Amino acid sequence: EAQVTQNPRYLITVTGKKLTVTCSQNMNHEYMSWYRQDPGLGLRQIYYSMNVEVTDKGDVPEGYKVSRKEKRNFPLILESPSPNQTSLYFCASSLNPAGSGANVLTFGAGSRLTVL
Amino acid sequence: GEDVEQSLFLSVREGDSSVINCTYTDSSSTYLYWYKQEPGAGLQLLTYIFSNMDMKQDQRLTVLLNKKDKHLSLRIADTQTGDSAIYFCAEGSNFGNEKLTFGTGTRLTIIP
Repeated sequence: EAQVTQNPRYLITVTGKKLTVTCSQNMNHEYMSWYRQDPGLGLRQIYYSMNVEVTDKGDVPEGYKVSRKEKRNFPLILESPSPNQTSLYFCASSLNPAGSGANVLTFGAGSRLTVL
Repeated sequence: GEDVEQSLFLSVREGDSSVINCTYTDSSSTYLYWYKQEPGAGLQLLTYIFSNMDMKQDQRLTVLLNKKDKHLSLRIADTQTGDSAIYFCAEGSNFGNEKLTFGTGTRLTIIP
């Protein structure tokens, strides 16, 4: 089944304890992106990657890192989490939208993170 | 920067039509999208429309685009309980990041 898989789905952690949210897609998609969803704010892009070893900042990158060493994986790293990073996180991927038509994103199920 | 706005809530009686509205600011938007988020799940694409189109129909869904007013709407005919969800409008351009800018989402509640 074509899908984007995120882990963990739920996590409670404490301020300053490094954590990684993994994201993997099995559709050979080139484009991958991380969003966070907060009440009243919709989805905001954190980082994106156009292909392997190509990553760039979205709208709210502060406090996050990403890497894209393989096409299928795009982990989100919080080096020193803070309470304002408590949120619902979504990973998404698409084939290769550049100039080729609609950017149809496939989303993971989400990872709910609480930072105490 | 880009901005996409939606009402936060909408309640509709079962069997009636639901109309969810969205406004956006980026005049260079190439595609406009509607995504659906069911409880505990990620977003799923419902439909999208190219910016040079006025309307797109797909079974119970009708998308209307007024490019002059930068207004997008999603009409769901014969609304069912399974349509209860949060609906997100999004806009994107066809170059660069290909980032989608999402609205806040409209929570659709169906009244039996």
